[in-house]
Amino acid sequence: DSGVTQTPKHLITATGQRVTLRCSPRSGDLSVYWYQQSLDQGLQFLIQYYNGEERAKGNILERFSAQQFPDLHSELNLSSLELGDSALYFCASSPGLEYEQYFGPGTRLTVT
Amino acid sequence: DAKTTQPTSMDCAEGRAANLPCNHSTISGNEYVYWYRQIHSQGPQYIIHGLKNNETNEMASLIITEDRKSSTLILPHATLRDTAVYYCIVRVDNAGNMLTFGGGTRLMVKP
Repeated sequence: DSGVTQTPKHLITATGQRVTLRCSPRSGDLSVYWYQQSLDQGLQFLIQYYNGEERAKGNILERFSAQQFPDLHSELNLSSLELGDSALYFCASSPGLEYEQYFGPGTRLTVT
Repeated sequence: DAKTTQPTSMDCAEGRAANLPCNHSTISGNEYVYWYRQIHSQGPQYIIHGLKNNETNEMASLIITEDRKSSTLILPHATLRDTAVYYCIVRVDNAGNMLTFGGGTRLMVKP
């Protein structure tokens, strides 16, 4: 158990819908990262927040957005969902910017 | 970040040491070598990292060559639970950089 929690574990929704994935980092960790893992793309970095501020962006679609709240939990919002958005979404956290990252168990999103 | 090259798959007998190689010939002086693993579809798990000295923790040992162009992750006594995809990642620390995952090595530990 890494100490990072993600909800929900599974999510099934239809194309065109919007969903919100939630991540609670390890106690004391200020940095949160979101990654997407699909069968054909592997693990890809989406976005990073540090102490409430966006720090880095990766291959995140414009339909996706995220935020980190004052209590340091983070939410990833996915809208106008397409079949290709079906994937595992992982959140990771670290104490600061230079430490190893600890991953949560992931949310499996299925878009039908 | 420097690119890494790993074998696609490897087998190891249970109880034996598993030696997973990684090439990172374009590594820069300020880039660290990190190893993570992913068991089935679970979240990736941090194993170990190092800059130039060999490192050891309760999970594994990391051997980095003197020229830093390659490294080896050693699981001293592999168990069936070590069956996973192992990722070697090179990144600059103190930069808040994301992890860039390649294809990794699929290690199969066999009884």
